[in-house]
Amino acid sequence: AQSVTQLGSHVSVSEGALVLLRCNYSSSVPPYLFWYVQYPNQGLQLLLKYTTGATLVKGINGFEAEFKKSETSFHLTKPSAHMSDAAEYFCAVYTSGTYKYIFGTGTRLKVLA
Amino acid sequence: SAVISQKPSRDICQRGTSLTIQCQVDSQVTMMFWYRQQPGQSLTLIATANQGSEATYESGFVIDKFPISRPNLTFSTLTVSNMSPEDSSIYLCSVMGQGNTGELFFGEGSRLTVL
Repeated sequence: AQSVTQLGSHVSVSEGALVLLRCNYSSSVPPYLFWYVQYPNQGLQLLLKYTTGATLVKGINGFEAEFKKSETSFHLTKPSAHMSDAAEYFCAVYTSGTYKYIFGTGTRLKVLA
Repeated sequence: SAVISQKPSRDICQRGTSLTIQCQVDSQVTMMFWYRQQPGQSLTLIATANQGSEATYESGFVIDKFPISRPNLTFSTLTVSNMSPEDSSIYLCSVMGQGNTGELFFGEGSRLTVL
């Protein structure tokens, strides 16, 4: 069975500081891993994804994530937070061909001026 | 990519009534997904809607409560029936991108408040 754990339902960082949002997964087969962002009153949009190949993936808005199989992690980072990064972030795991996603419980990022 | 339009974007409903949410996609897709996002919680898949067949419901969701229509490859509706305050939630329509990479595209959601 698959599962996703996001550590920290709320994270606050100062503007310009490093953003680190944690995600650990469990999967019995090689997973596809995703980070989605949800801005207020909007649906989710894809930030980045890992399917195969390079384990460090870059996404939109300066975000990146590294797939670490040994640690079953897929943490999201951004070197310098911007006020516009304030949103809710969801980590998700998907098994190819099943059309089934497991979403984490989300982390709400607050950026302090 | 896919552009998804949902309506209504929000509504306030009375207990015991029903509301139908519409989802329009700008391209033809085989499968459409309906998710529920309860306040402070993650996304939960309600059902998968295939054109020309009955929707497939996840555990804990039933057709009588959440009837779904899928009349063509670009449109679907979800009805929330006999609503109670526990149905207050955001309902999201979603489709999967081409090539089975797993990427999901979402509508902006329909925020329902049941009084």
